[in-house]
Amino acid sequence: EAQVTQNPRYLITVTGKKLTVTCSQNMNHEYMSWYRQDPGLGLRQIYYSMNVEVTDKGDVPEGYKVSRKEKRNFPLILESPSPNQTSLYFCASRRQSGSPLHFGNGTRLTVT
Amino acid sequence: AQSVTQPDIHITVSEGASLELRCNYSYGATPYLFWYVQSPGQGLQLLLKYFSGDTLVQGIKGFEAEFKRSQSSFNLRKPSVHWSDAAEYFCAVDNYGQNFVFGPGTRLSVLP
Repeated sequence: EAQVTQNPRYLITVTGKKLTVTCSQNMNHEYMSWYRQDPGLGLRQIYYSMNVEVTDKGDVPEGYKVSRKEKRNFPLILESPSPNQTSLYFCASRRQSGSPLHFGNGTRLTVT
Repeated sequence: AQSVTQPDIHITVSEGASLELRCNYSYGATPYLFWYVQSPGQGLQLLLKYFSGDTLVQGIKGFEAEFKRSQSSFNLRKPSVHWSDAAEYFCAVDNYGQNFVFGPGTRLSVLP
């Protein structure tokens, strides 16, 4: 089944403790992206990747890192999480420009 | 600045009534346009997309959307709403691969 898989679904952590949210897609998509969703703000893009070893900042990249060492995986790294990064995070991928995004089921992160 | 707006934060309709959700975009050229739906606790599911050609596009679950270039709008419609349509709806724009931007969303409530 074609899908985007994120893990974990829920994560509670403390300020400053490094964490990684994994994202994997099995559709051989070149483009992958991370979004955060906050009430009233919709989805805001954090980082995106057009291909392996190519990443670019989205609208809200501060406090996040990503890597794209292989096509299927695009992990989101929070080196020193802060409470304002408490949010619902989505990973997405697509085949090419103009194709729709395929979304994972989301990761709800709480930073205390 | 380039943007996607959804003027209605929350809409309530009675089951069986018609529905129209508004979306306006601000881009120089006509971008690719999408509508997504997010049910509570779920990821985003594609409802329909517009690339070019016929300005009225049909989607899943009985939804349709009409692209109006003169108004820079891409409104979503459904003739008869079902209780299961209660969800959050997002309009999105793909600016030819440079950026995939979402509107803030419209939450739909359905009265029995």
